[in-house]
Amino acid sequence: TQLLEQSPQFLSIQEGENLTVYCNSSSVFSSLQWYRQEPGEGPVLLVTVVTGGEVKKLKRLTFQFGDARKDSSLHITAAQPGDTGLYLCAGVYGGSQGNLIFGKGTKLSVKP
Amino acid sequence: DAGVIQSPRHEVTEMGQEVTLRCKPISGHDYLFWYRQTMMRGLELLIYFNNNVPIDDSGMPEDRFSAKMPNASFSTLKIQPSEPRDSAVYFCASSLVDHYGYTFGSGTRLTVV
Repeated sequence: TQLLEQSPQFLSIQEGENLTVYCNSSSVFSSLQWYRQEPGEGPVLLVTVVTGGEVKKLKRLTFQFGDARKDSSLHITAAQPGDTGLYLCAGVYGGSQGNLIFGKGTKLSVKP
Repeated sequence: DAGVIQSPRHEVTEMGQEVTLRCKPISGHDYLFWYRQTMMRGLELLIYFNNNVPIDDSGMPEDRFSAKMPNASFSTLKIQPSEPRDSAVYFCASSLVDHYGYTFGSGTRLTVV
């Protein structure tokens, strides 16, 4: 059974601080996606990483896919209250579009 | 495009009643997914369709759950009879064959009392 573990489960920080959240698995993924979910809404895709070692930047967010394609990290620089939400990683295994496994997420709270 | 449309947004029903959740995917998307989200288990895939054909329903909890996709623009998830443990947020998502990433609807919050 493929599992994605995210850490930390909860994170509460002050505006302006930096943070990193992690997504780890014992399985190799063909690609990995990061989503952000706000209360009462569905997850919204932030980025997809496909190549081992790949780094993608989205404004203050930096995403990295591990060399072995088993893990990923999301780093946020100078967090803002608008970054508050549930961050979910999801891995595609076996190359099949339908085989997407979600982690349980990191709930981030950024206080002004 | 209006995105993935789900209805209703909220549903409160009594145990034993039939519940039908509806989804309109993004036009042109070949894949449609039904997920369930709870605090304890996170997001769980229930079933997904490719070109309106069910591909994998191994996540459907039991025979009380059924899903259909009669055409490319509509899908339903039905629970009959409903039980309190079915209370959760149900999401529909769609994607293109060659696009890495899903577009989710806003979900249906189901409460079975």
